[in-house]
Amino acid sequence: QVQLQESGPGLVKPSETLSLSCTVSGDSISSYYWSWIRQPAGKGLEWIGRISTSGSTNYTPSLKSRVTVSVDTSKTQFSLNLSSLTAADTAVYYCARDRGFCSSTSCFYYFDYWGQGTLVTVSS
Amino acid sequence: QSVLTQPPSVSAAPGQKVTISCSGSSSNIGNNYVSWYQQLPGTAPKLLIYDNNKRPSGIPDRFSGSRSGTSATLGITGLQTGDEADYYCGTWDSSLSVAVFGGGTQLTVL
Repeated sequence: QVQLQESGPGLVKPSETLSLSCTVSGDSISSYYWSWIRQPAGKGLEWIGRISTSGSTNYTPSLKSRVTVSVDTSKTQFSLNLSSLTAADTAVYYCARDRGFCSSTSCFYYFDYWGQGTLVTVSS
Repeated sequence: QSVLTQPPSVSAAPGQKVTISCSGSSSNIGNNYVSWYQQLPGTAPKLLIYDNNKRPSGIPDRFSGSRSGTSATLGITGLQTGDEADYYCGTWDSSLSVAVFGGGTQLTVL
């Protein structure tokens, strides 16, 4: 059974950079994409970005200037860095296995395993 | 404002059937495959349906999915109190090049 576990600080100051890690167990991290998704309290899900184990990345345009997702296959981990934080970045952050694939005609896209989530509060 | 539109809430009695709609456009649902997620209170989302109508191992056949044009529907039959949760649809938007979700639908089993 694939398991994902987020780790990182629960409280970060405005203007600082958030760094979160996601450790994958139960299956190889290779040959998949891995995503970060966040959810502000009482609100819906927002996809942040994804990375393949070859290092290929995609980011949501609204966060692209502030986001970096990286992967360390030796540690079976992938990470999220989000800079210039504001209160609007306060949310539960989830990591997930990303099964997205686009053919020439359409895209198959879903997240089949999720971490439990970690609450990040941006406050001074 | 979510790219995909879902009703904020639906309700039905135990044992009954309920459907949850998800409306999009040609750049997302119209040409790409839809997934559905169940989020029980205080927990992470869980994959219920992928590729419009496929169920992962362990998901009961009370849950079903369909897609028609630029809309998708999640159906749940034989409602149980344990089905009370938020449900989200998701897919890829080819114009925006992002994964997108609906705003979520809160299911109440009366």
